[in-house]
Amino acid sequence: QKEVEQNSGPLSVPEGAIASLNCTYSDRGSQSFFWYRQYSGKSPELIMSIYSNGDKEDGRFTAQLNKASQYVSLLIRDSQPSDSATYLCAVNSDGTSYGKLTFGQGTILTVHP
Amino acid sequence: SAVISQKPSRDICQRGTSLTIQCQVDSQVTMMFWYRQQPGQSLTLIATANQGSEATYESGFVIDKFPISRPNLTFSTLTVSNMSPEDSSIYLCSAKTLSNTGELFFGEGSRLTVL
Repeated sequence: QKEVEQNSGPLSVPEGAIASLNCTYSDRGSQSFFWYRQYSGKSPELIMSIYSNGDKEDGRFTAQLNKASQYVSLLIRDSQPSDSATYLCAVNSDGTSYGKLTFGQGTILTVHP
Repeated sequence: SAVISQKPSRDICQRGTSLTIQCQVDSQVTMMFWYRQQPGQSLTLIATANQGSEATYESGFVIDKFPISRPNLTFSTLTVSNMSPEDSSIYLCSAKTLSNTGELFFGEGSRLTVL
């Protein structure tokens, strides 16, 4: 059973702080990793993708991947109340670009003013 | 990216009935998938919708309960058959584009409530 585990939440941070979201995966052959944001009552929205070890930055978001440790994280700098949502980690579970994604259970993030 | 339209967006159904959800993508895509998201839970893959052939189902999901069609590259349907209250959930259509980066895009979801 290929698994994706996220740090248990909920996570609460003050406005302007850095929010750190973590995810581990069990399948060493996984090649593609994604972070989705899901607002309450809405469908998931892709915010970051990462394919190689290291950091990838996009605005206030930084994704970090460590394949040796089977670990992927998402940092949100200067957190805003509008970042309050559930964040889902997703991993390509069959090693191809066309494969299906396995999702973690999600971490609820609350950014309070 | 791709724009994915689903209908109905929500419905209230009676136990024992069936409902078909339609999914239309605005551009050609490689793969289409159907996910289920039960209240307060993450996404669980039901099946991969294959164009012109039978869908590939995940463990715990069977064709008799969730028949899926994909007659062309941009359209798919999911039927939830003989519904029970346990089928109350959000059903999400998703697709991967031809960009070959593996990114998955989602429709708005269909929220089903079974009484």
